[in-house]
Amino acid sequence: EPEVTQTPSHQVTQMGQEVILRCVPISNHLYFYWYRQILGQKVEFLVSFYNNEISEKSEIFDDQFSVERPDGSNFTLKIRSTKLEDSAMYFCASRPRGITNEKLFFGSGTQLSVL
Amino acid sequence: AQSVTQLGSHVSVSEGALVLLRCNYSSSVPPYLFWYVQYPNQGLQLLLKYTSAATLVKGINGFEAEFKKSETSFHLTKPSAHMSDAAEYFCAVSERRAAGNKLTFGGGTRVLVKP
Repeated sequence: EPEVTQTPSHQVTQMGQEVILRCVPISNHLYFYWYRQILGQKVEFLVSFYNNEISEKSEIFDDQFSVERPDGSNFTLKIRSTKLEDSAMYFCASRPRGITNEKLFFGSGTQLSVL
Repeated sequence: AQSVTQLGSHVSVSEGALVLLRCNYSSSVPPYLFWYVQYPNQGLQLLLKYTSAATLVKGINGFEAEFKKSETSFHLTKPSAHMSDAAEYFCAVSERRAAGNKLTFGGGTRVLVKP
């Protein structure tokens, strides 16, 4: 089965630094998502992206966050100035065109540690 | 607004015993309901989904779940646990609408299978 690929699997950064988390969604998918899971907490929705624009974002997704699909294959999440509380597992997901009950395909995640 | 509650963050079962994971949801509109599984160091994988067809839904690996509107529940079961079922299980809900597919997750239930 096709996979969503996320790199790196682990990222360590200093507080205040910018990080870019990278994702390669499945090639014919059109909807893209970022979720995150802080250790011991629920998986939380961050943002959805379709047709080169954000379709929905959560309260967590403030001005420090941005997403981009720079080249038609990658889908990136940028955190401009990381905070300690940004430490979490970040999951990218994608789904094909179609009705909304299509399943999301998730990547294996990037564990971000902010020191 | 929608929410999901999973009763029990950890469940321990013996190999061959029944697995029962509880999920209750809250949604202002008819929901789509999902169960995802996360094996160690892997992404979230869809087990099964409810999308308004049959209320008893069969998924992969012998799992099934029953949608009960009157109880706002979507409990996951498997008649006979296998060692390979050791993982974390997430119940999720999304609203039926034309665009987007934002999932709201429960807190997850970690399943331990004893020989």
